[in-house]
Amino acid sequence: ETGVTQTPRHLVMGMTNKKSLKCEQHLGHNAMYWYKQSAKKPLELMFVYSLEERVENNSVPSRFSPECPNSSHLFLHLHTLQPEDSALYLCASSQVAIRYQETQYFGPGTRLLVL
Amino acid sequence: KQEVTQIPAALSVPEGENLVLNCSFTDSAIYNLQWFRQDPGKGLTSLLLIQSSQREQTSGRLNASLDKSSGRSTLYIAASQPGDSATYLCAVRPERSTLGRLYFGRGTQLTVWP
Repeated sequence: ETGVTQTPRHLVMGMTNKKSLKCEQHLGHNAMYWYKQSAKKPLELMFVYSLEERVENNSVPSRFSPECPNSSHLFLHLHTLQPEDSALYLCASSQVAIRYQETQYFGPGTRLLVL
Repeated sequence: KQEVTQIPAALSVPEGENLVLNCSFTDSAIYNLQWFRQDPGKGLTSLLLIQSSQREQTSGRLNASLDKSSGRSTLYIAASQPGDSATYLCAVRPERSTLGRLYFGRGTQLTVWP
């Protein structure tokens, strides 16, 4: 495996289900990100993890819960989602060094449908 | 709050044409600007990154320019090919951003037909 991988690629869940999205990066990066891409809005940053700090978008509902057990893995735990949460969830990673030169590498995404 | 706008939203052209995609942003205090490509059902691939001190970057048939003071960037695609069909996203990294925060436009969906 190379780059950034995400599983599952597609997920259908009911509003009462609990599920988790997984992301793994094989690039040796020290920062990982969750983004939401929906048809109605531009790509939105949800959460960021790095070795030094965690940044959380305050507008993200608590039904989304991130977990970063180490620098290579990132999870997004989902609980009691709403239909409007249906979207493409993208994971990315980067090597945080000199910020103005930093590039983020994206995974293929998980297409989520909430019924 | 930084807002990024991309024009046009969609573009359909025959193969061989030279194309210009536009991106504008409201706050000129940025570290850099990136152009990404997104294929259907896939993630984003970085095409070009322009630092705030630079005016342009080139990669193959792609050339991106940046006018930071006016809040504008253009992506020029020379001699377009059907394989260029994808959605092109522009993103800026504000100077005062927290770690990893990029602001994206909605993208330009490009179709190049043979």
